Order: sequence, then C-alpha cells, then structure tokens
Amino acid sequence: AQSVTQPDIHITVSEGASLELRCNYSYGATPYLFWYVQSPGQGLQLLLKYFSGDTLVQGIKGFEAEFKRSQSSFNLRKPSVHWSDAAEYFCAVGAQNTGNQFYFGTGTSLTVIP
Amino acid sequence: DGGITQSPKYLFRKEGQNVTLSCEQNLNHDAMYWYRQDPGQGLRLIYYSQIVNDFQKGDIAEGYSVSREKKESFPLTVTSAQKNPTAFYLCASRWGTGEGAYSNQPQHFGDGTRLSIL
Repeated sequence: AQSVTQPDIHITVSEGASLELRCNYSYGATPYLFWYVQSPGQGLQLLLKYFSGDTLVQGIKGFEAEFKRSQSSFNLRKPSVHWSDAAEYFCAVGAQNTGNQFYFGTGTSLTVIP
Repeated sequence: DGGITQSPKYLFRKEGQNVTLSCEQNLNHDAMYWYRQDPGQGLRLIYYSQIVNDFQKGDIAEGYSVSREKKESFPLTVTSAQKNPTAFYLCASRWGTGEGAYSNQPQHFGDGTRLSIL
C-alpha cells in the first residue's frame, strides 16, 4: 500500500538559516510527488511537484525538493528561511494505480525564530 | 479568478442535527475530494468523486454523505451519525479523471470550513 512518512512533527529554525524537511514514501513504481504548505486556518497551497526527469525540482517561494529513488525520499529544502515561511508543510504522493487518490503525510510544523 | 470556494468558513452543529458544507469550483476540474483534518493527523479522505453522479467512499466515510449533481459542486453533509464532527474540513479538486492518465495532476484546495459542536 502507498504511504507517506514525515518523520519530523515540528521543526524550529532561525530566520536566515537553511531548512530541510524530510519526506519518505512507500510505493513500488515511480510516484508522483508533491509538497504543499498550509498557513493557520487556510487551505493547502502547492509548492512544487515531481513527475519525472530532473530529480531536483524548483517551486514557489524559493523552495526546492530532490527526488532520491534509492532512498524513497523527496525532501524539501530552502537555503534561507524567512519569518513568513512559518506554516505546516505536507508531502503527498499520487500514483497510477491509486486512481484519483492522493496520500498525505501527517505534516511538519515549522517555527521560525528571529 | 478560478478557484475553489468553501462556505461557510465557520459552522456550528447542534446535537442530532445534520449540517451541509458547500464546495464550489470554477476550474473545470473533473475530480473533487473532501478531507477531514485533525491536529497531528494530517488529511484523511472522506469521499471523492471522479465524475458527475458518481462518488466513492474514502477512509472515513461513516457519518458523512455527499452528492455530485453538477460538475462544479460537491457538497458534504455531516450527519448526526458522525459522533465526533469537530474538525477542519477541506475540499479539493483536480483535473482529469480515471485510472492512471492524470495521476500527476496536483490537487487544488479551498480555504476550509471549521465545524464545531454547540
């Protein structure tokens, strides 16, 4: 069965520091991978997506993610965090034999300190 | 602008009452979804619909019902059978339908409805 694991429930970083949020997936074939961000009381906004090709994908707001098949990972990174990046981040996987379903991780809450 | 509109933003339910959450999209998307979000549990799928007049149960469908009479609309009813309805409810839509072909299309989300018990 497909699954997504975000091992870090909560992360705190200083403003200007680099960030890496971890995401591991379980799926037998090539997955389609997504990262979303959610501000309090809001819906989810798509940050970036991976389908195929270049394993390093660029997204909005200066985020990037790298797909590593050997590690079944799709970690989200940002070189320099801004206070406005404080939010909840979700990794998701969709795949061909899941029909129209997506599978979401449980999320990582990011706190940014001055 | 195209998007997904959920209403109301806040909703209160009395004991034994059914309430309906609205979700409308003007993105011309085929598939629509309802998720429930509780703290620390991520998103759990309630129902989804790939086409008008058709829908499937998700992981936590008990106590909920849906309809899909129009492509643009996918309302969710929280029935009195749902004993713990307090949560944040998110509606999403996605272009494409059917197995496989459009699995790489992302879901687009509304801003959610927060349901509480009086």
